[in-house]
Amino acid sequence: DIQMTQSPSTLSASVGDRVTITCRATQSISSWLAWYQQKPGKAPKLLIYKASSLEGGVPSRFSGSGSGTEFTLTISSLQPDDFATYYCQQYNTYSWTFGQGTKVEIK
Amino acid sequence: EVHLVESGGGLVQPGRSLRLSCEASGFIFDDYAMHWVRQAPGKGLEWVSSINWNSVSINYADSVKGRFTISRDNAKNSLYLQMNSLRPEDTAFYFCAKEGRGGVDYWGQGTLVTVSS
Repeated sequence: DIQMTQSPSTLSASVGDRVTITCRATQSISSWLAWYQQKPGKAPKLLIYKASSLEGGVPSRFSGSGSGTEFTLTISSLQPDDFATYYCQQYNTYSWTFGQGTKVEIK
Repeated sequence: EVHLVESGGGLVQPGRSLRLSCEASGFIFDDYAMHWVRQAPGKGLEWVSSINWNSVSINYADSVKGRFTISRDNAKNSLYLQMNSLRPEDTAFYFCAKEGRGGVDYWGQGTLVTVSS
């Protein structure tokens, strides 16, 4: 199975900061990667699919990049609503896998 | 508007069974693959199972293979998860999820399954 590893596990940042989260796959997944945001007690929300395509309604401060085994999610200017946990997920194979999550906290 | 509503969760003893249901609305159900994803309290997301539109392609995580069975009834716009031989480590919120252009574009609110004696 393909394993997904996110870094860092926790990130402390301030409003207005540029934030980058990395996700690495144990084998190439081409661009078959999604990013989600999850807030406590809520279902995840899709932000990015196919590594860099912005889901409808998602603010443009979110962007994704990468292909193969290394991917990044960038928030260009962190807003109060962005403090949450972020997950990457590969869908290159029928057996999907998620990263362990990155919690973005208020500094 | 897309809605996914799970039901069937609850407290169950180890070794027993439970059947989850998910009622879908707001989209053409039989056009899409569907998934179950779970999340243990305070933990990360774990993909559980998937089923394509006509139930021909079905997949499971190794952790549930042989114990869980996914199914769907397109006439009822419903997705199911039959969970047998439940273990304490199956305790989690179970989310019904619609596959989109990439990954999951819509999620249910989740139903909690607690496996404990």
